[in-house]
Amino acid sequence: ELKVEQNPLFLSMQEGKNYTIYCNYSTTSDRLYWYRQDPGKSLESLFVLLSNGAVKQEGRLMASLDTKARLSTLHITAAVHDLSATYFCAGTLSNTGNQFYFGTGTSLTVIP
Amino acid sequence: DVKVTQSSRYLVKRTGEKVFLECVQDMDHENMFWYRQDPGLGLRLIYFSYDVKMKEKGDIPEGYSVSREKKERFSLILESASTNQTSMYLCASSLARSLGGAKNIQYFGAGTRLSVL
Repeated sequence: ELKVEQNPLFLSMQEGKNYTIYCNYSTTSDRLYWYRQDPGKSLESLFVLLSNGAVKQEGRLMASLDTKARLSTLHITAAVHDLSATYFCAGTLSNTGNQFYFGTGTSLTVIP
Repeated sequence: DVKVTQSSRYLVKRTGEKVFLECVQDMDHENMFWYRQDPGLGLRLIYFSYDVKMKEKGDIPEGYSVSREKKERFSLILESASTNQTSMYLCASSLARSLGGAKNIQYFGAGTRLSVL
């Protein structure tokens, strides 16, 4: 089993500020996924990180993966209100195929 | 676009009732999954399936069963609903077991919010 811990659980930030969400996992994971969930909606895939040092960027969001530290980060640059959502990371174990292990989620609120 | 459709957005059932949650995907995906989502606990895997008539237990299978008679449809069954099964249930699908990385992104349905009274 892969244990995935996210922090913080709740994040309130002002528009225009930068912040980072952290995703730690317990054992070797060969890929890491980030999802976004808007209130009352389903999960939407944001990024897939497939190797150590991988970095993906989309707009104000940038995700990275450090497999040696067992850490992925989701960095938010100059936050805007539209980024308010819950963000989940999920890892997989190669020996269990396609089962995802999700973190508890980070609820982000961007305040004007 | 991949579409994963869950039959109900909201359900209210009584303790002891048998409950069926249905999920259909339209992209010929091999893998299908059922999760429950609870505040502070994230998503927890109940059951998953890699093929028709095939199922595997996830992390919290107790009190649940599943059925996959057709490739596109994966049903979650609560044999005798209890109040501790009040939750949001999410269905997901992904392309194929033998593939890896980006091809195994899971696509989620809108969720069914189940209340057991």
